[in-house]
Amino acid sequence: DSGVTQTPKHLITATGQRVTLRCSPRSGDLSVYWYQQSLDQGLQFLIQYYNGEERAKGNILERFSAQQFPDLHSELNLSSLELGDSALYFCASSSRTDSTDTQYFGPGTRLTVL
Amino acid sequence: DQQVKQNSPSLSVQEGRISILNCDYTNSMFDYFLWYKKYPAEGPTFLISISSIKDKNEDGRFTVFLNKSAKHLSLHIVPSQPGDSAVYFCAASKPRAAGNKLTFGGGTRVLVKP
Repeated sequence: DSGVTQTPKHLITATGQRVTLRCSPRSGDLSVYWYQQSLDQGLQFLIQYYNGEERAKGNILERFSAQQFPDLHSELNLSSLELGDSALYFCASSSRTDSTDTQYFGPGTRLTVL
Repeated sequence: DQQVKQNSPSLSVQEGRISILNCDYTNSMFDYFLWYKKYPAEGPTFLISISSIKDKNEDGRFTVFLNKSAKHLSLHIVPSQPGDSAVYFCAASKPRAAGNKLTFGGGTRVLVKP
């Protein structure tokens, strides 16, 4: 158990809908990261927040957004969902934000868009 | 542009023998490398890391070797155990980037046969 929690574990929805994925980092960690794992793309970095502020962005679609709240939990919002958004979404956390900081991953949310 | 590559999609090894997993990278700016293990339906689990100022790091049965001139790292698991059967990802990060995003390889599926 990494100490990172994610809810829900599974999510099934229809195209065009909007969903929210939630992540609670390990106790004391200030950085939260979101990654997407799809069959053809592997694990791809989406976005990072550090202590409430956006720190880095990857190949995140404009239909996706995220935020980190004062209690440090984070939410990833996915809207106007398409079939291709079906994937595993992982949250990770770390204590700092420098390149030598190890990231610990949550169990993931499996999103299925029908 | 795949900056981190794991060219062997799968590896089969006998219990008790050595497993050697390889990873190549193209970006010389990467300064921190990590290996994660992933079981189905779980998030990646951190195994071991190495900074670019080192060429070897050991933790129990796991040893990571880094050859910066060849832009190559490897993970040795000795002795291999059936519980090591999983998908292994190498990942890399670079300094002075905004944030700390990890760039992942495509993974190597390891099967340890009893």
